[in-house]
Amino acid sequence: GAVVSQHPSRVICKSGTSVKIECRSLDFQATTMFWYRQFPKKSLMLMATSNEGSKATYEQGVEKDKFLINHASLTLSTLTVTSAHPEDSSFYICSARPSAYNSPLHFGNGTRLTVT
Amino acid sequence: AQSVSQHNHHVILSEAASLELGCNYSYGGTVNLFWYVQYPGQHLQLLLKYFSGDPLVKGIKGFEAEFIKSKFSFNLRKPSVQWSDTAEYFCALKGGSGNTGKLIFGQGTTLQVKP
Repeated sequence: GAVVSQHPSRVICKSGTSVKIECRSLDFQATTMFWYRQFPKKSLMLMATSNEGSKATYEQGVEKDKFLINHASLTLSTLTVTSAHPEDSSFYICSARPSAYNSPLHFGNGTRLTVT
Repeated sequence: AQSVSQHNHHVILSEAASLELGCNYSYGGTVNLFWYVQYPGQHLQLLLKYFSGDPLVKGIKGFEAEFIKSKFSFNLRKPSVQWSDTAEYFCALKGGSGNTGKLIFGQGTTLQVKP
C-alpha cells in the first residue's frame, strides 16, 4: 500500500534555531500534501496544504513566515519551523494522497519537535 | 465551513462490550467521511471510509460506521471490542468529491479497553 515517510521522527532544538521536517511519498506521486499539528490529547489541526510547484495554502491563524513549506517535487514536501520557540513544541504529521480518484490520505509517522 | 465533532472524549469499556463512538459533521455539500485509528506510538491508519452508496460501511478489524445524512452523523461501531482496540479514534471529513479538498478531523476519542 501507499507509504508516507517522515523524517526525523524526533528532534530537539534550541530556541531561535530552525528545524526542517521532510515528508516523502515512497511509492506514489502526490501533487498535494498536508501538514498537521497534533497537540497532546487533542485532535489534528490542519496547518497547510502543500502544492507541488506552487505556494502552500495556509489555514487561518498559521503563520506562513514561521512555518515554511516547500513542495519541490511530486514525492517530497518539507516543513521548516523557523526561529523555533518552546510553544512550537508539538507533534507534526504530514499526509499525502495518491492521485487515484477518491484515494484516502496516508499519514507519516509524525515528528516530535521539542524546543528547549 | 466544514467541521467535525466527536462527542465522546474518553471511553472505557471491558472486553467484549459493544462500542459506538459518535461523530457529527457540518458541511453543506457532498461529503466524504472517514474514521482513522491511532494506536499508541503509531501513525494514523484508515479504518473505513464513506464516499457514496450504501450508508453502512464496513471497515477493517470488525468496525463499521453508518452515514445518516438527516442527522449529519457518521458513528463508528463494533459489536465486541478487544483489548487491542485501545487507541485514539478520529472522525474526519472531506468536503466535495474527487481528489481535491482538505481533510478536517474531529477532536478524537480515546478508547481504553480493559482486559
